[in-house]
Amino acid sequence: EAQVTQNPRYLITVTGKKLTVTCSQNMNHEYMSWYRQDPGLGLRQIYYSMNVEVTDKGDVPEGYKVSRKEKRNFPLILESPSPNQTSLYFCASSLSAYNSGANVLTFGAGSRLTVL
Amino acid sequence: KNEVEQSPQNLTAQEGEFITINCSYSVGISALHWLQQHPGGGIVSLFMLSSGKKKHGRLIATINIQEKHSSLHITASHPRDSAVYICAVRVDSNYQLIWGAGTKLIIKP
Repeated sequence: EAQVTQNPRYLITVTGKKLTVTCSQNMNHEYMSWYRQDPGLGLRQIYYSMNVEVTDKGDVPEGYKVSRKEKRNFPLILESPSPNQTSLYFCASSLSAYNSGANVLTFGAGSRLTVL
Repeated sequence: KNEVEQSPQNLTAQEGEFITINCSYSVGISALHWLQQHPGGGIVSLFMLSSGKKKHGRLIATINIQEKHSSLHITASHPRDSAVYICAVRVDSNYQLIWGAGTKLIIKP
């Protein structure tokens, strides 16, 4: 089944304890992206990647890192999480960002992160 | 002013009513997406448009590139259509996605 898989789905952690949220897609998509969703603010883009080894900052990149060493994986790293990073996180992918006919987005199920 | 504006923010209607949700944008785009987010949180892509009109079941999406406006219509609405509907545009200069704030739709039986 074609899908975007995020893990963990739920996580409670403490301030300063490094964590990684994994994202994997099995559709050979070039474009991958991370979003956070907070009440009243809608979806905000954290980082995106147009292809392997190509990553760019979105609207709210502070406090996050990403890597794209292989096409299928795009992990989100919180080196030193803080309470303001408590949020619902979504990973998404599309075949391409350049070709408008090929950029229908597929979303992961979401990861709810709480930082105490 | 936000680059992508959705209206209304909230909409409550009775089952069977015809629903219209609007999305206006101020940037040049290569594509516009409509997505649905159910109360459980999952996000599903409904349509991707670059021109004209698309239909899937009871859902119809239209876009007017000259007026920078898109509409999502739901015919014969049903309580299971209750969700947040989100519009997003792909900027043609840098391929970034800009997101609307969403429209929360409640359909009462």
